[in-house]
Amino acid sequence: AQRVTQPEKLLSVFKGAPVELKCNYSYSGSPELFWYVQYSRQRLQLLLRHISRESIKGFTADLNKGETSFHLKKPFAQEEDSAMYYCALHASGSRLTFGEGTQLTVNP
Amino acid sequence: EAGVAQSPRYKIIEKRQSVAFWCNPISGHATLYWYQQILGQGPKLLIQFQNNGVVDDSQLPKDRFSAERLKGVDSTLKIQPAKLEDSAVYLCASSFWTGMNTEAFFGQGTRLTVV
Repeated sequence: AQRVTQPEKLLSVFKGAPVELKCNYSYSGSPELFWYVQYSRQRLQLLLRHISRESIKGFTADLNKGETSFHLKKPFAQEEDSAMYYCALHASGSRLTFGEGTQLTVNP
Repeated sequence: EAGVAQSPRYKIIEKRQSVAFWCNPISGHATLYWYQQILGQGPKLLIQFQNNGVVDDSQLPKDRFSAERLKGVDSTLKIQPAKLEDSAVYLCASSFWTGMNTEAFFGQGTRLTVV
C-alpha cells in the first residue's frame, strides 16, 4: 500500500528565510511524486512534479529514493507563498494519494 | 480552457437525509476522481473512474455512498443516508489519463455539513 507522510501540520517562517516542507513516502514500486498547493479561497492545483525536475515559483523538490523523501524547498520565502501544501504520490494506473498537508505561513 | 465544474458549492442537510453532488470534468479527460477532505486532513480518494469504468473504489463506503459516470463524462456522487461524520469538502478532479506524469485538475469542491 502507498502512503505519504508530511510530519509538520504547521510551518511558520519570516520573509526572506529558507523554507523546507518535508514529505516522506512508502511505496514498493517506482513512484511519481508531486507537490500540490492550495492558496486561500482557490482550488487545489499542481505546483511541481519530480519527473520534470523543474523550479516553479522558486520552489524545487528532489526525489531521494534512498530516504524515500521528496522535500519541497525554497531559499527565500515570500509572503505570497503562504498556503496549504500537499505532497502526493501516484502509482501508475492507480490512485493519487495525498499527505495530510502542511500549512505554510510566511510572516513579513 | 474551462476547469472542472462542481455543484452545489455548499450543502447543509440533516443526518439520515440524502444528498447528491455533480461534477463536470475538463473536456477530453478520461480519468475522474472523487475525493473526501475532512477538515484538517488531506484529500482521501473515494472513487476513480477511467472513462465510465471504475478503477478504484476500495475506500468508498459502499453501504451509503454511490457514484456513477454515465457516458464517461459527467459524474454524480450520492450519499444515502448521510451521517454526521460525512461533513467534509467533496472534491472532484480530472486528468487526461492515469499514466506517467499525469496532472490532476481540481474543482472548487462542495462543502457538505450534516447536522
